[in-house]
Amino acid sequence: GENVEQHPSTLSVQEGDSAVIKCTYSDSASNYFPWYKQELGKRPQLIIDIRSNVGEKKDQRIAVTLNKTAKHFSLHITETQPEDSAVYFCAATWMRFGAGTRLTVKP
Amino acid sequence: DTEVTQTPKHLVMGMTNKKSLKCEQHMGHRAMYWYKQKAKKPPELMFVYSYEKLSINESVPSRFSPECPNSSLLNLHLHALQPEDSALYLCASSQVSSLNNGYTFGSGTRLTVV
Repeated sequence: GENVEQHPSTLSVQEGDSAVIKCTYSDSASNYFPWYKQELGKRPQLIIDIRSNVGEKKDQRIAVTLNKTAKHFSLHITETQPEDSAVYFCAATWMRFGAGTRLTVKP
Repeated sequence: DTEVTQTPKHLVMGMTNKKSLKCEQHMGHRAMYWYKQKAKKPPELMFVYSYEKLSINESVPSRFSPECPNSSLLNLHLHALQPEDSALYLCASSQVSSLNNGYTFGSGTRLTVV
């Protein structure tokens, strides 16, 4: 089955800085890579996704990049704000999640 | 309607009880999923239903029994659970059981087994 590894497990940044979270996957047939944000006590919510025919996708302050050759993809958050503080999960095909990254944005 | 509705939101049950979790969506999604999430852990896939048929069972113990009565409903029947089964149970749905669609998650049922 698919294995998804996610790093780092925790990330603390100052407000306004950028944050980068990386995931690697094992199944070369995977072709869909979503990112979810989960705030404490709430459901995971899709924030951005990328398909294998695209190398990069951007939505305002959030971007995702994909390197299919190396089998890794990354979430980039620019100009971080305190409300970005949450746990972020990557996932690959068949929606097996990475272990999660707890992002803390300090005001 | 763009939501997945789960009931109940909270459930406390004894180890000899039988209970059911319910999930409903009216987005026309033909794939539905059950996940289990323990504290500070990622959601863990349990079951996948595609067109009302069970397509994936991630070696889940038989004390968890899924059911998909129709394309809008998904149930999870619980019997003889253990305290370690206490967790947040999340239901999700997607347009098709394929490789290229994100999920919509319900708010979850927080289950406590005593």
